[in-house]
Amino acid sequence: DAMVIQNPRYQVTQFGKPVTLSCSQTLNHNVMYWYQQKSSQAPKLLFHYYDKDFNNEADTPDNFQSRRPNTSFCFLDIRSPGLGDAAMYLCATSRVGTYNEQFFGPGTRLTVL
Amino acid sequence: GEDVEQSLFLSVREGDSSVINCTYTDSSSTYLYWYKQEPGAGLQLLTYIFSNMDMKQDQRLTVLLNKKDKHLSLRIADTQTGDSAIYFCAERIGTPLVFGKGTRLSVIA
Repeated sequence: DAMVIQNPRYQVTQFGKPVTLSCSQTLNHNVMYWYQQKSSQAPKLLFHYYDKDFNNEADTPDNFQSRRPNTSFCFLDIRSPGLGDAAMYLCATSRVGTYNEQFFGPGTRLTVL
Repeated sequence: GEDVEQSLFLSVREGDSSVINCTYTDSSSTYLYWYKQEPGAGLQLLTYIFSNMDMKQDQRLTVLLNKKDKHLSLRIADTQTGDSAIYFCAERIGTPLVFGKGTRLSVIA
């Protein structure tokens, strides 16, 4: 089945230790998104790729970076995680067209010790 | 500005109808969406409505859109325990979506 896969599902890191979260998709969608979701809050868009074009949200901290080496994969790098970065990170994909349905992965829950 | 508001909690009895409400602020939104999130899972698209429609029905789900008041609602008929989840309203402004904080629906057997 075509899907959005996120690895790992749970990630524990130490304060200040770089961490990378990964997302892959078999849908061949041209847009990929990274959202941060904290408890009882809306998913907050960090950035998205339209093909290779990177689009950063204005309020996304510099601590967050992303890479998209090919259509299928997208990575979220957190250079120096702080306690406030503990959250669920959701990857989503879409194909630009009519109603722009976004397909979400199951998320990676990040814990910062 | 971009802001989507939803009430945080709703509790209904099994078999009753649930109505989840949402207000949005950007009149240029083209599509509005309802997503469902079950515990530990990602978001799943339930249904969507184009901004020039005022109603859409899909099996047990009915979406009503009042564009004048920027009000969107999701009605779930014959609510089941499997409908217990968080429901997010979202508006499309350009490519990204703007989500509300979600309404936690609890279904009492």
